[in-house]
Amino acid sequence: QSVLTQPASVSGSPGQPITISCIGTSRDIGAYDYVSWYQQHPGKAPKLIIYEVSNRPSGVSNRFSGSKSGNTASLTISGLQAEDEADYYCSSYTTYRRSSTLFGGGTKLTVL
Amino acid sequence: QVQLVQSGAEVKKPGASVKISCKASGYTFTGYYLNWVRQAPGQGLEWMGTINPTGGYTNYAQNFQGRVTMTRDTSTGTVYLELSSLRSQDTAVYYCARVGSWGAYDSEYWGQGTLVTVSS
Repeated sequence: QSVLTQPASVSGSPGQPITISCIGTSRDIGAYDYVSWYQQHPGKAPKLIIYEVSNRPSGVSNRFSGSKSGNTASLTISGLQAEDEADYYCSSYTTYRRSSTLFGGGTKLTVL
Repeated sequence: QVQLVQSGAEVKKPGASVKISCKASGYTFTGYYLNWVRQAPGQGLEWMGTINPTGGYTNYAQNFQGRVTMTRDTSTGTVYLELSSLRSQDTAVYYCARVGSWGAYDSEYWGQGTLVTVSS
């Protein structure tokens, strides 16, 4: 059981926006602006798409955006495209008990 | 360009140890922390720990304390992950990943992954 809670699956039609939530606690997401999001296609290594809550690494489409409110982080993908179909993982830094990185259980995005 | 190239797949028996390598290139090796993350078949990502290549300082996830060792060789730009007392639940793809240039809490560059299969 993952410490950060994500929906198991979400779906949307091409062109529509979708949002994936990531629920943590006041000891991780709520305490630090070190929330990341990763995209993973089958058989591939994860790819960082959002870091420090809302920043995009160079080369990542601006259709991806991140935000945080309290203990919940969110990833929004605007204008869904077929190639967005993948697994998405949130991650947060925490120092509760010890410095560590937590991952969510992952969300399978299906583009209808 | 930044590259992380990992060693090949391994098959081990329960109780054995495995040592995986991750060779970095395209940047200053001692300038960035490296994380190890694993993914069991059909499962999510699990952070195992971080190594600072400069001094070799390590921070291991509590779940792996006592079984994991991360080391580095600055002469070759290579980091190593050793996991001991293997059990079937350790069957997974193991990734090394370099943190981003902005800080130490995200994995921007990833290796291709190394499949470790633990089976009798």
